[in-house]
Amino acid sequence: DIQMTQSPSSLPASLGDRVTITCRASQDIGNYLRWFQQKPGKSPRLMIYGATNLAAGVPSRFSGSRSGSDYSLTINSLESEDMAIYYCLQHNEYPLTFGSGTKLEIK
Amino acid sequence: EVQLVESGGGLVKPGSSLKLSCVASGFTFSSYGMHWIRQAPKKGLEWIALIYYDSSNKYYADSVKGRFTISRDNSKNTLYLEMNSLRSEDTAMYYCAKFSWEADYWGQGVMVTVSS
Repeated sequence: DIQMTQSPSSLPASLGDRVTITCRASQDIGNYLRWFQQKPGKSPRLMIYGATNLAAGVPSRFSGSRSGSDYSLTINSLESEDMAIYYCLQHNEYPLTFGSGTKLEIK
Repeated sequence: EVQLVESGGGLVKPGSSLKLSCVASGFTFSSYGMHWIRQAPKKGLEWIALIYYDSSNKYYADSVKGRFTISRDNSKNTLYLEMNSLRSEDTAMYYCAKFSWEADYWGQGVMVTVSS
């Protein structure tokens, strides 16, 4: 199974900061990588698909990138509504596997 | 508007069975593969099963293989998850989801609690 190693697990940040969350894939997954945002009591929301593409309705301060087997989600100029847990998901092969999550919280 | 509505959750004892349903609307259900994903309390997301649009292929996570069965009835726009030999570690919110390349749709989730 493909392991997705996500870091950090917790990310204290201030409003207006630029933050980056990373997932490393244990095997090649191409660009079959999605990023989700989850707020308490809510279903996950797709933020990035195909490693670098912004999903519909997602603010442009979010972006996704790839460097080899490392996939990153960057949020520029953090806003209060961005405080949530973020997960990566590889969907290159079954079983699909999620990263362990990053809790983004106000410092 | 795409809607996915799960039902069938509840409190059950270890070793028992439960069958979840997910009713879909707002899209051509019979054209899409469907997933079940779960989340234990205060834990991360875990993908557990996929069924192809025509039921020709099914995939499972190792944690549920042999105990859970995913199925669908395209005439009823309904996805199912039959769960047998339930364990305490199966306690979670269960979501059905439809993934396409550019968009995802998730239900609101249904809670399953396995406890004596």
